[in-house]
Amino acid sequence: EAQVTQNPRYLITVTGKKLTVTCSQNMNHEYMSWYRQDPGLGLRQIYYSMNVEVTDKGDVPEGYKVSRKEKRNFPLILESPSPNQTSLYFCASSPTGWGTQYFGPGTRLTVL
Amino acid sequence: QKEVEQNSGPLSVPEGAIASLNCTYSDRGSQSFFWYRQYSGKSPELIMFIYSNGDKEDGRFTAQLNKASQYVSLLIRDSQPSDSATYLCAVAGGLGTSYDKVIFGPGTSLSVIP
Repeated sequence: EAQVTQNPRYLITVTGKKLTVTCSQNMNHEYMSWYRQDPGLGLRQIYYSMNVEVTDKGDVPEGYKVSRKEKRNFPLILESPSPNQTSLYFCASSPTGWGTQYFGPGTRLTVL
Repeated sequence: QKEVEQNSGPLSVPEGAIASLNCTYSDRGSQSFFWYRQYSGKSPELIMFIYSNGDKEDGRFTAQLNKASQYVSLLIRDSQPSDSATYLCAVAGGLGTSYDKVIFGPGTSLSVIP
């Protein structure tokens, strides 16, 4: 089954404790992206990757890191999480940056 | 000015009516336009995409694009209670550094009343 998976689905952590949210897709898509979704603000792009080892900032990259060492995986790293990073995070993949985004199930992160 | 704007709603329509959802965008060079549906607590899923000016129909859904007016809309005919969700407009392929970015609007909440 074609899908985008994210782990963990739910995470409660404390300020400053490094964490990684994994994202994997099995559709051989070139383009992968991370979004955060907050009430009233919609989906905002954090980082995106056009291919292996090629990443670029979206609209809200501060406090996040990404890497794309393999085509299928695109982890999101929070080196020192803060409460304002409490949000619902979605990973998505697409054949191209212009194409249909296929979303993972979401990760609900709470930073205390 | 926000890059992609939508009426936040909520938009309420009776069952069987036509629901009209609107979206405007600021990047005149944008190439791709999408409508996603998102049920509460779920991830967005694609409803329609449109690249060219005019109308595109798929079942009960019609997307309309007017690049000159920088306007894209989604019509849902014969609205059903199962259409109750938040509808997200997304725009991609803009000019310059926005070329590979995907910009979402804040979404419009639709409620179809039985």
